[in-house]
Amino acid sequence: EAGVAQSPRYKIIEKRQSVAFWCNPISGHATLYWYQQILGQGPKLLIQFQNNGVVDDSQLPKDRFSAERLKGVDSTLKIQPAKLEDSAVYLCASSAGQGYTGELFFGEGSRLTVL
Amino acid sequence: SQQGEEDPQALSIQEGENATMNCSYKTSINNLQWYRQNSGRGLVHLILIRSNEREKHSGRLRVTLDTSKKSSSLLITASRAADTASYFCAPIYNNNDMRFGAGTRLTVKP
Repeated sequence: EAGVAQSPRYKIIEKRQSVAFWCNPISGHATLYWYQQILGQGPKLLIQFQNNGVVDDSQLPKDRFSAERLKGVDSTLKIQPAKLEDSAVYLCASSAGQGYTGELFFGEGSRLTVL
Repeated sequence: SQQGEEDPQALSIQEGENATMNCSYKTSINNLQWYRQNSGRGLVHLILIRSNEREKHSGRLRVTLDTSKKSSSLLITASRAADTASYFCAPIYNNNDMRFGAGTRLTVKP
């Protein structure tokens, strides 16, 4: 079974530029999550999708971050414009059921460096 | 804050020794999950323990849950160098909210 795929693995940009990350969850998984993990900290939920609807985006900085999950399958997370403090690893995860009733499967992450 | 709080922040042991990590949380939970993260990688699910369970085993892992103390512990027995990683607890609250703590960084020296 293929795991959660993310790209790109690494991205370096200047502040005020834009960047987009892509995630393809495990086939059939209804729920998709984007997390931000700053060095030395635990992952922080940015947004949770159930199929193609948003369940929780309370911690998403909506003035600069946006995410979509078209057709309830893969998803993109965009940052525009980027700030220095956005330097982090962006993790995508998926789960089969609704909410946190079972385990989350994580991708390898996309490491963003903002200069 | 709703997140789990792991203790200690860092732990260094010799191969073969046991490693114990603790997690505390604030309010009632549905279940609690433990994850491992190797350096530069994504998180990997280790074990899920439900609020009505007190202990669970998986291979060399043993997880306990004490809902009266709002705490959980993860024990890794006979540790190996490959167990070197960060370990996160993730309490799942009754509002279906899950927050990761800062994790425990475990180093197992060969």
